Amino acid sequence: GENVEQHPSTLSVQEGDSAVIKCTYSDSASNYFPWYKQELGKRPQLIIDIRSNVGEKKDQRIAVTLNKTAKHFSLHITETQPEDSAVYFCAATTGNQFYFGTGTSLTVIP
Amino acid sequence: ETGVTQTPRHLVMGMTNKKSLKCEQHLGHNAMYWYKQSAKKPLELMFVYSLEERVENNSVPSRFSPECPNSSHLFLHLHTLQPEDSALYLCASRPDRAGGNSPLHFGNGTRLTVT
Repeated sequence: GENVEQHPSTLSVQEGDSAVIKCTYSDSASNYFPWYKQELGKRPQLIIDIRSNVGEKKDQRIAVTLNKTAKHFSLHITETQPEDSAVYFCAATTGNQFYFGTGTSLTVIP
Repeated sequence: ETGVTQTPRHLVMGMTNKKSLKCEQHLGHNAMYWYKQSAKKPLELMFVYSLEERVENNSVPSRFSPECPNSSHLFLHLHTLQPEDSALYLCASRPDRAGGNSPLHFGNGTRLTVT
C-alpha cells in the first residue's frame, strides 16, 4: 500500500517568515494530495489540495507544489501569522483510501 | 457547523463496557470513514463505507464493529476494548464520485479513554 512520509515533525518560525513542509509518497498511482490543518482540540480542516495533473497551486499565502517524478509534494506558507500555529497533515490517495503523514507541528513566534 | 457531527465528544469506558460512537453528515455525501488518531502516529484508517457498503476494513480488531444504516449515518460499536484503544476517533465523509477526487470532511471527533 501507499506510504506517506512527512518532515519535519516540528517547525518553529518567526512571524512573517515562510514555512515549508515536505511529504513523499511511494505509490505512483496516487493522484490527489490534500493538506489539512488541525488546531488543538479541533477537527482536521482542508486548507489546499492538488491533483496529479497540476504542478503547483496557490491560494493567498498558501501554496502546494507537486513533483510526480520524484514523488514528493510540499506545502509553503508565506508571511506566517500566529494563527497559522497548528498541526499540518499531508495525504495521498488513489481513490477511497487516504494515507496520511505523521503531521508537522508548526509554531509561529510573534 | 461542520456538516459532520459526532457524538459523544468525550467517552470514558471500562474494558468490559459496550458503547457506541455516532456520526451524522449533512453534506449529501455517499462515502463515510472512521479514522483513529493517536499521538505521534499518522491518522489510521479503520473503515470505509461507500453507498452504505463496506469497501475497506484495515485489519481492525473485531472489538470494533461499524454500522452504516444509510448514507448519512455511521456508527462504531465498541466492546471489550483495551487501554491502547484510547485515542481520538474521527469520522469523515466525502462525495465518492467516479472520475474525480474529493477531500475528506472531518467531524470534531470523539475522545475515547479506556480505563
